[in-house]
Amino acid sequence: EDQVTQSPEALRLQEGESSSLNCSYTVSGLRGLFWYRQDPGKGPEFLFTLYSAGEEKEKERLKATLTKKESFLHITAPKPEDSATYLCAVQDRSRGSTLGRLYFGRGTQLTVWP
Amino acid sequence: SAVISQKPSRDICQRGTSLTIQCQVDSQVTMMFWYRQQPGQSLTLIATANQGSEATYESGFVIDKFPISRPNLTFSTLTVSNMSPEDSSIYLCSVKTGTYEQYFGPGTRLTVT
Repeated sequence: EDQVTQSPEALRLQEGESSSLNCSYTVSGLRGLFWYRQDPGKGPEFLFTLYSAGEEKEKERLKATLTKKESFLHITAPKPEDSATYLCAVQDRSRGSTLGRLYFGRGTQLTVWP
Repeated sequence: SAVISQKPSRDICQRGTSLTIQCQVDSQVTMMFWYRQQPGQSLTLIATANQGSEATYESGFVIDKFPISRPNLTFSTLTVSNMSPEDSSIYLCSVKTGTYEQYFGPGTRLTVT
């Protein structure tokens, strides 16, 4: 059973067209939710950690929010350089879960065209 | 954060052979992880490598296939043994620093023919 589901799988935006990516999760106890950016041929680059519902974090044109069941990554006025795959991952703090293990979604491939 | 390097960055190997991937970190870390990223799939944890103890493998991964070494707090290796085309994937190491964040290396792209 997938613990992290991301949608949409792919998203094409015109430069300046704001939108949101979704990450829904099911874990017994959330230790943290993480957003990463991955460019082709590279490893995931850490963006944000969210720990509790209601928390928000911002970085440049990106804003991540968290509820008890999902997280959103809002992209405001995107630029072509924001094109990448955005990955969501969770850590489960319930007993029996490997300490430090991240459960990843399959990602949303974002393309921003000029 | 941490700066992580991996060697090799990519390789093409014949089936039945083995490849050892190296992961080097610029600072001492307690927990290191090895993940696999197959095309169209999510990153999956292979094992946790802690210095001074045996690696802990996730369900579906075994030590005979993926032996891991962790000789010190800045270095680890993952060997992919007796390779088959199904092992073609990107292999990534990550480290946990501070609280709960994990930082990833650039990955090793492996193709098995």
